[in-house]
Amino acid sequence: DQQVKQNSPSLSVQEGRISILNCDYTNSMFDYFLWYKKYPAEGPTFLISISSIKDKNEDGRFTVFLNKSAKHLSLHIVPSQPGDSAVYFCAASEYGGTSYDKVIFGPGTSLSVIP
Amino acid sequence: NAGVTQTPKFQVLKTGQSMTLQCAQDMNHEYMSWYRQDPGMGLRLIHYSVGAGITDQGEVPNGYNVSRSTTEDFPLRLLSAAPSQTSVYFCASSYSGQIETAFFGQGTRLTVV
Repeated sequence: DQQVKQNSPSLSVQEGRISILNCDYTNSMFDYFLWYKKYPAEGPTFLISISSIKDKNEDGRFTVFLNKSAKHLSLHIVPSQPGDSAVYFCAASEYGGTSYDKVIFGPGTSLSVIP
Repeated sequence: NAGVTQTPKFQVLKTGQSMTLQCAQDMNHEYMSWYRQDPGMGLRLIHYSVGAGITDQGEVPNGYNVSRSTTEDFPLRLLSAAPSQTSVYFCASSYSGQIETAFFGQGTRLTVV
């Protein structure tokens, strides 16, 4: 059973509007969360992260919100740009460790930003 | 500076054939890893290495072999290809063991028929 879920396989948003990508997790021991972005024919790149001691982390147009009680996090992109069109992976780890063997990835959400 | 280079980019194998997916990095990174990405599954760790001569298994190691004889190279060997190994494979490297510092290769799309 998947421990990190991204229940929307795809999302379309108009340029300039807000994109909201959702992620749910089942393991209550997860305490560090990451978002990755992947363009076609490229490898994933790290985008933003958040520790469970916070409920929000912001980096430019990207903000991640964490709701520990609901085991839910979301990535907000404001304003959305066509260059944001990519697959976004949510990932999680326990005990704040992000070594390769500690991180679990979700299945990804494909975002299309329409000009 | 090429970063992380994976070869080949595409490969079709017949069931039972063996092959090696190559991964090379020129950043002198100690940590390297292999992932597979399947539809609806996300990235899953196959094997990883914390330095030359040291490898360990990830979440889905069965059917794959690795070795790390040099810092630069981390090849992934499929011993006897099966259709279940049809996937996109990504190699990653990092100077620390932390995945958020990792550089990923462009991927190898493997089809086993």
